[in-house]
Amino acid sequence: DAGVIQSPRHEVTEMGQEVTLRCKPISGHDYLFWYRQTMMRGLELLIYFNNNVPIDDSGMPEDRFSAKMPNASFSTLKIQPSEPRDSAVYFCASSPQLASEQFFGPGTRLTVL
Amino acid sequence: QKEVEQDPGPLSVPEGAIVSLNCTYSNSAFQYFMWYRQYSRKGPELLMYTYSSGNKEDGRFTAQVDKSSKYISLFIRDSQPSDSATYLCAMSLTYAGNNRKLIWGLGTSLAVNP
Repeated sequence: DAGVIQSPRHEVTEMGQEVTLRCKPISGHDYLFWYRQTMMRGLELLIYFNNNVPIDDSGMPEDRFSAKMPNASFSTLKIQPSEPRDSAVYFCASSPQLASEQFFGPGTRLTVL
Repeated sequence: QKEVEQDPGPLSVPEGAIVSLNCTYSNSAFQYFMWYRQYSRKGPELLMYTYSSGNKEDGRFTAQVDKSSKYISLFIRDSQPSDSATYLCAMSLTYAGNNRKLIWGLGTSLAVNP
């Protein structure tokens, strides 16, 4: 298996632009997580899905952030409009049902100028 | 106070040293404790996990949980330059279901010098 796939790997955009991050989880994994990592705040859970249904979005910082999972093999995290403070590495992770290990993708490094 | 506290370091040791990495937590209900390793510009990967209190050993790595003190440790014996990475602790209330959300430490940056 190729593991969790994220795209793009790097994104540089200007403040106010829309940013869309993409994730393909490992086939057969029922849970999908979106995280944000910064030096100051570490790894923060933004939202997670179970069987394509959002379960907990309490970590989404504000309405500018939205996430979707239209099917079991694809999820997006959208920021609109983007701001410089959104600059971070965004990770997608997936895990099998009834298992604790989360498998992380390589991350998307977002820079908002 | 954060639920999980972890000293970010950086920690620098010579090759062959014994390394001790630690996290403290405030929620006594946590039951599952994990250590993830993150190499530079990569995603975290699970290194070890333990349930409740006690020790678990895997090669050069030993994970310890002391629930009475709300303190977990990861020991690395005979450290190698390839162990240079950031080590993150994570913990959860349950193994499955909707309380399985992991709570993460900030991570400790470790450098093992040849």
